[in-house]
Amino acid sequence: GAGVSQSPSNKVTEKGKDVELRCDPISGHTALYWYRQSLGQGLEFLIYFQGNSAPDKSGLPSDRFSAERTGGSVSTLTIQRTQQEDSAVYLCASSRPGTSGRPVDTQYFGPGTRLTVL
Amino acid sequence: GENVEQHPSTLSVQEGDSAVIKCTYSDSASNYFPWYKQELGKRPQLIIDIRSNVGEKKDQRIAVTLNKTAKHFSLHITETQPEDSAVYFCAQNSGGSNYKLTFGKGTLLTVNP
Repeated sequence: GAGVSQSPSNKVTEKGKDVELRCDPISGHTALYWYRQSLGQGLEFLIYFQGNSAPDKSGLPSDRFSAERTGGSVSTLTIQRTQQEDSAVYLCASSRPGTSGRPVDTQYFGPGTRLTVL
Repeated sequence: GENVEQHPSTLSVQEGDSAVIKCTYSDSASNYFPWYKQELGKRPQLIIDIRSNVGEKKDQRIAVTLNKTAKHFSLHITETQPEDSAVYFCAQNSGGSNYKLTFGKGTLLTVNP
């Protein structure tokens, strides 16, 4: 079936502008994650959604970052008043929910959105 | 806090040789350890994972070993091929979480023909 999709694939913006990044998870996956990947770095956890539960926002680097997940499917990551240090690849992933007997089911990643803040 | 140290940061091998990448961690509650492969410009893809109730897992040319006492786990690739060239990331589930992964900084593996 279709994998995780993200749009846009590339986004160039000017410092101070707001941006919205979109993620469409795999159908049926109730868990959705956002990560940030800076050049030469690993993946940095940003936020996690699971069904109707309150999201885990512990990884968001500042209050300029926010995310929503409407209808338990599509998610939007919003960065307000972008700064040059926000330049990175933003990756979305989805999975079935983990259980006590099987923590962290396989996370399937989207192709990412490369954000460049000038 | 949760931390994953990954070594080496770069690794160059000749085709047919073996490659080993090692990760150490500090969180004793972690019980899930996946490895992801990311080719240039592509998305990360899970290649193998191990859960703490086993010490080793193999899938064709790829194997992962886990030493919970020493808090390290390793990826072994045998008979390397040029298409194995990529960045490899290890990860662990933070605090035994059923969703939150902490990733290493990655290893750039280059397999020379």
